[in-house]
Amino acid sequence: DAKTTQPPSMDCAEGRAANLPCNHSTISGNEYVYWYRQIHSQGPQYIIHGLKNNETNEMASLIITEDRKSSTLILPHATLRDTAVYYCGPHAGGTSYGKLTFGQGTILTVHP
Amino acid sequence: GAVVSQHPSRVICKSGTSVKIECRSLDFQATTMFWYRQFPKQSLMLMATSNEGSKATYEQGVEKDKFLINHASLTLSTLTVTSAHPEDSSFYICSARVGPSGGYNEQFFGPGTRLTVL
Repeated sequence: DAKTTQPPSMDCAEGRAANLPCNHSTISGNEYVYWYRQIHSQGPQYIIHGLKNNETNEMASLIITEDRKSSTLILPHATLRDTAVYYCGPHAGGTSYGKLTFGQGTILTVHP
Repeated sequence: GAVVSQHPSRVICKSGTSVKIECRSLDFQATTMFWYRQFPKQSLMLMATSNEGSKATYEQGVEKDKFLINHASLTLSTLTVTSAHPEDSSFYICSARVGPSGGYNEQFFGPGTRLTVL
């Protein structure tokens, strides 16, 4: 399985941008980079995904390096409700039944 | 957006009994459903992949006779924990996806079921 590494925890002040890094050095050409988050005692929530280009949606922005070996999730204006565990990694798309596996994730704590 | 529900949200049972957990896709048809287990302060661990109308594919180390999965329709998958023991106490989460198809196949997660075995 592809190895994904994330920092175990990060802090961010409310209203500031939160930048969460992810290393996925063994990602293969047909795999997307995905980000989900899990708020305590709830099911994971999809945030964003990308293949090669940077992506932005109403929740976050995703910056993928040119070699695709790492990415950064940006929450532009973090709120207290963004406190959660954030998971990233490669995921096969297309016609694959590719499994979504979760690493240890990053615990993001947004404080007032 | 797509909604996945789970029932029950919380269950307490006695050791040795069986517990059934339902996972439903409410507004879409899910070709594939996944079952995860999560222990306190740990990440989600994939247990099995379930495709409608076929047998589930279990991950290594997951006992298929203990965790029975049935995916009888495109909107319902069930996980039955047979002869539950205290070590089976965990947070069970299902997810569902449409596909496969071209592009990214997003998974939609249920809210989870907290199982406590006494």
